[in-house]
Amino acid sequence: GQQVMQIPQYQHVQEGEDFTTYCNSSTTLSNIQWYKQRPGGHPVFLIQLVKSGEVKKQKRLTFQFGEAKKNSSLHITATQTTDVGTYFCAGHGDSNYQLIWGAGTKLIIKP
Amino acid sequence: DVKVTQSSRYLVKRTGEKVFLECVQDMDHENMFWYRQDPGLGLRLIYFSYDVKMKEKGDIPEGYSVSREKKERFSLILESASTNQTSMYLCASSFGEEKLFFGSGTQLSVL
Repeated sequence: GQQVMQIPQYQHVQEGEDFTTYCNSSTTLSNIQWYKQRPGGHPVFLIQLVKSGEVKKQKRLTFQFGEAKKNSSLHITATQTTDVGTYFCAGHGDSNYQLIWGAGTKLIIKP
Repeated sequence: DVKVTQSSRYLVKRTGEKVFLECVQDMDHENMFWYRQDPGLGLRLIYFSYDVKMKEKGDIPEGYSVSREKKERFSLILESASTNQTSMYLCASSFGEEKLFFGSGTQLSVL
């Protein structure tokens, strides 16, 4: 079946360093969504990318959707303690209803 | 403010009990979903529904059933709870391929 691989599983950074998480799908996606889950919380939608090669920015966060619509990345510049959490990608494949989820990348800020 | 409400934040049940998890959304969304989340495994789809009285199996439906008698309410039923169903259960809703709104989750412990 369709799968989305997300790496790394964990990333430890010093506050102020950059952070990147990558997602790769086994098949073409119609869109990709990104969610953030704070510790003890539930996933909260960040953004959706639809077009091939699309790049969107939200303050220090940059989201990209690959030309082949099979991969995506989230880059955070100069991390802050408020960025701590797990970041998930999820995309729609063949089914209009079912999102295919990556396993998430946990961002940990080193004290 | 849009809302997805799950009936319990924490639940403790005994092996063999029938368990009902309730979810209500106030956004008139057609689609509703039940996920379970376990450490290191991300979000796994149990069942989803794209209309009243309609349901589709997700990736891990075994041991679960669902009910959607009204558009705003989607119930997850564990017919005979087992210890391997101890998990965080997340309900979500959406319009079509748009973003998912999640409830706060129910942490279920089966003893």
